[in-house]
Amino acid sequence: AQSVTQLDSQVPVFEEAPVELRCNYSSSVSVYLFWYVQYPNQGLQLLLKYLSGSTLVKGINGFEAEFNKSQTSFHLRKPSVHISDTAEYFCAVSSGTYKYIFGTGTRLKVLA
Amino acid sequence: EAGVVQSPRYKIIEKKQPVAFWCNPISGHNTLYWYLQNLGQGPELLIRYENEEAVDDSQLPKDRFSAERLKGVDSTLKIQPAELGDSAVYLCASSYSGTGFADTQYFGPGTRLTVL
Repeated sequence: AQSVTQLDSQVPVFEEAPVELRCNYSSSVSVYLFWYVQYPNQGLQLLLKYLSGSTLVKGINGFEAEFNKSQTSFHLRKPSVHISDTAEYFCAVSSGTYKYIFGTGTRLKVLA
Repeated sequence: EAGVVQSPRYKIIEKKQPVAFWCNPISGHNTLYWYLQNLGQGPELLIRYENEEAVDDSQLPKDRFSAERLKGVDSTLKIQPAELGDSAVYLCASSYSGTGFADTQYFGPGTRLTVL
């Protein structure tokens, strides 16, 4: 069975500071990994995804993530955050069954 | 391009009442998903449609939940009767299943259900 663990439920960070949101997964087969962002009262929007190839994936809004197979991680990073990045971030894993397994989310709070 | 449309955005009902949610996927997307998102949790799949066929409904509580996707486009999710524990956000997503199982899912804004 697959699972996703987002270790931090909340991450406060000051504006223009770097941030890392952690995601670890468990799977016995090859996986596809995703990061979604959910702004208040909105649906989930895809930030980036890892399917294969380069382990460093760049997404929208200046975010990037690195797939680390040995550590079964897919951490999300941004070098300089803005107030507008305040949102809930979800990591998800899929092994090819069309089913996404989502983590419990990390609430990013950017402080002025 | 219009995104996934859901209505209503909010619904408040008394327990034991029926409720229905509607979803219009992105044009051309043949796969449609209904998810349940409890407070503080990630979305959990309820049912997945390929065109008009429900190909994965293993997580749908069939005693009170039902869904349909007539003509392979719009979809309706129904709860009858609703229970207090059904209070949650119901998300609809769609994708074009043409490139394999890593197809990107596009989500609607969700319907927030409150059962009193």
